Amino acid sequence: ETGVTQTPRHLVMGMTNKKSLKCEQHLGHNAMYWYKQSAKKPLELMFVYSLEERVENNSVPSRFSPECPNSSHLFLHLHTLQPEDSALYLCASSQAQQGLSGANVLTFGAGSRLTVL
Amino acid sequence: GQNIDQPTEMTATEGAIVQINCTYQTSGFNGLFWYQQHAGEAPTFLSYNVLDGLEEKGRFSSFLSRSKGYSYLLLKELQMKDSASYLCAGMDSNYQLIWGAGTKLIIKP
Repeated sequence: ETGVTQTPRHLVMGMTNKKSLKCEQHLGHNAMYWYKQSAKKPLELMFVYSLEERVENNSVPSRFSPECPNSSHLFLHLHTLQPEDSALYLCASSQAQQGLSGANVLTFGAGSRLTVL
Repeated sequence: GQNIDQPTEMTATEGAIVQINCTYQTSGFNGLFWYQQHAGEAPTFLSYNVLDGLEEKGRFSSFLSRSKGYSYLLLKELQMKDSASYLCAGMDSNYQLIWGAGTKLIIKP
């Protein structure tokens, strides 16, 4: 496979469930990202792993927990979510080069559509 | 604050030309990106501008004016497959991307 692959593509879960989203990139990139995409809203950056350092958006609730075991794999663990967390969760990767603009072209996966009941 | 503004929705006719505008306010500026996203699919990179002027890639062109905080994406000879959302994103001085909410482009026969 090539590019960025996300599984599952669709997920329905109750508020008490625990589930995980998986992302895998086959591009040799050294940075991976989780974005939340809600209808008619800008993409919201949730977490970044870049050059083996984790950077997070402090406004992301603790019910979302990322894991990046290596540069090719990224997980988003979900626990006790709320209905307002229903959205499309996009994974992306890039070749991060510190201090250089324009190099960080993102390659996105097709997303995991999450519905919280 | 930092902000990207673009129209929510636009409609155009097959074979015509359409211009999607984007205005940006960022803390510092390291370039502006355009991505295309078909329904149910991944956003894909279209263009990157950091210098003033027009850059052409086939039927698609992207323009930047840094003094006006303004960019546009120009699509020529529209095809039905160009129906998609177009996302504008500015990169600030910390190389963080500031995203617009996207413009949904509807192409009619």
